Amino acid sequence: AQRVTQPEKLLSVFKGAPVELKCNYSYSGSPELFWYVQYSRQRLQLLLRHISRESIKGFTADLNKGETSFHLKKPFAQEEDSAMYYCALGQRSGNTGKLIFGQGTTLQVKP
Amino acid sequence: NAGVTQTPKFQVLKTGQSMTLQCAQDMNHEYMSWYRQDPGMGLRLIHYSVGAGITDQGEVPNGYNVSRSTTEDFPLRLLSAAPSQTSVYFCASRGTGTPDYEQYFGPGTRLTVT
Repeated sequence: AQRVTQPEKLLSVFKGAPVELKCNYSYSGSPELFWYVQYSRQRLQLLLRHISRESIKGFTADLNKGETSFHLKKPFAQEEDSAMYYCALGQRSGNTGKLIFGQGTTLQVKP
Repeated sequence: NAGVTQTPKFQVLKTGQSMTLQCAQDMNHEYMSWYRQDPGMGLRLIHYSVGAGITDQGEVPNGYNVSRSTTEDFPLRLLSAAPSQTSVYFCASRGTGTPDYEQYFGPGTRLTVT
């Protein structure tokens, strides 16, 4: 069954510390993975997608098919990074793509 | 563009009451969907639509109805509210010109059922 697991409900770090938000997936096909972010009192928005191999706001994520992981990393956390982060797996059904979300991880960056 | 809008922002219902959560988008997106967000559960897909007149069930459809009579609107109906439906509800949309899975989310509706 397709599944996304984010093992940490809460990750608390100090400003300037490295951050790694974990994401593991289960998918039988070729996965498409994404990170979405929800800042306080704002709507959910796409942060980055694995296929574009981009760095957004200093965050990167590498797809590791061997470990079925897509961890989100940032070398130096900033207070404005505090938010809820969701890892999501794209599931194709016919011509439609649906997203399967993980449980979410709250990142708290302390001053 | 207003993007994806949802009304109301907050709602309190009593068990057994019915109501409709409204969702509208002005981006001419074909694909629209409804999710519920619960602590420790992430976002779970309730229903989705790939175009006007076409809807399908997601992961947790029980207790909810949808219809899509226009491209712009995708209302979610709770026929007989239950406390288990207390949640935050998000509507999202995506157009065919948008990269797959890049969905645009509304601000959410926080529903409490007592």
